[in-house]
Amino acid sequence: DVKVTQSSRYLVKRTGEKVFLECVQDMDHENMFWYRQDPGLGLRLIYFSYDVKMKEKGDIPEGYSVSREKKERFSLILESASTNQTSMYLCASSTILAGYFQYFGPGTRLTVT
Amino acid sequence: AQSVTQLGSHVSVSEGALVLLRCNYSSSVPPYLFWYVQYPNQGLQLLLKYTTGATLVKGINGFEAEFKKSETSFHLTKPSAHMSDAAEYFCAVSVQRTNAGKSTFGDGTTLTVKP
Repeated sequence: DVKVTQSSRYLVKRTGEKVFLECVQDMDHENMFWYRQDPGLGLRLIYFSYDVKMKEKGDIPEGYSVSREKKERFSLILESASTNQTSMYLCASSTILAGYFQYFGPGTRLTVT
Repeated sequence: AQSVTQLGSHVSVSEGALVLLRCNYSSSVPPYLFWYVQYPNQGLQLLLKYTTGATLVKGINGFEAEFKKSETSFHLTKPSAHMSDAAEYFCAVSVQRTNAGKSTFGDGTTLTVKP
């Protein structure tokens, strides 16, 4: 069974901390994505990657960076967490071989205080 | 550019009634279209997808959707709602073979099922 896993379901961090969110997929997918989900705003794409070490900005990249050193792992980094980054973060992966639909992880609910 | 509009952020139906969730898209090239469902505190999971071929697509849990190119629509239906269908539903469009198949998602429709 295909799986996308995220390192934490719930995370509480302080303002100014550096935060790492990890995502791992076991399907050998070439594409991986990070979204944030907020009530009333739907899913907003932060960054995506179409290959190892390759990344592209999504719609709201400010305040975030990403890393993809291995095909199965895509990390989202909050360089200096702020309260407006309190949100649900969703990771997803996809492949052209499956028609690009995305497999999602369970999400990480991040609270920045 | 591609975009998705979901008509109605909240839809309420009675158990056993027809479910109709509306989705319109815009795309300059033939799209891939998807419906996803999200249950509380979970990630999204695929309900059904249209890529090419038959325009009426059947998915899991008795849902189906019809791709209507002339109307640029991909509405989701289910003949008889169950309590377990209460969730948030997202329509998404992807342009073929570009930008990693990056999808654009609608804002979501919350489905409530009344007993």
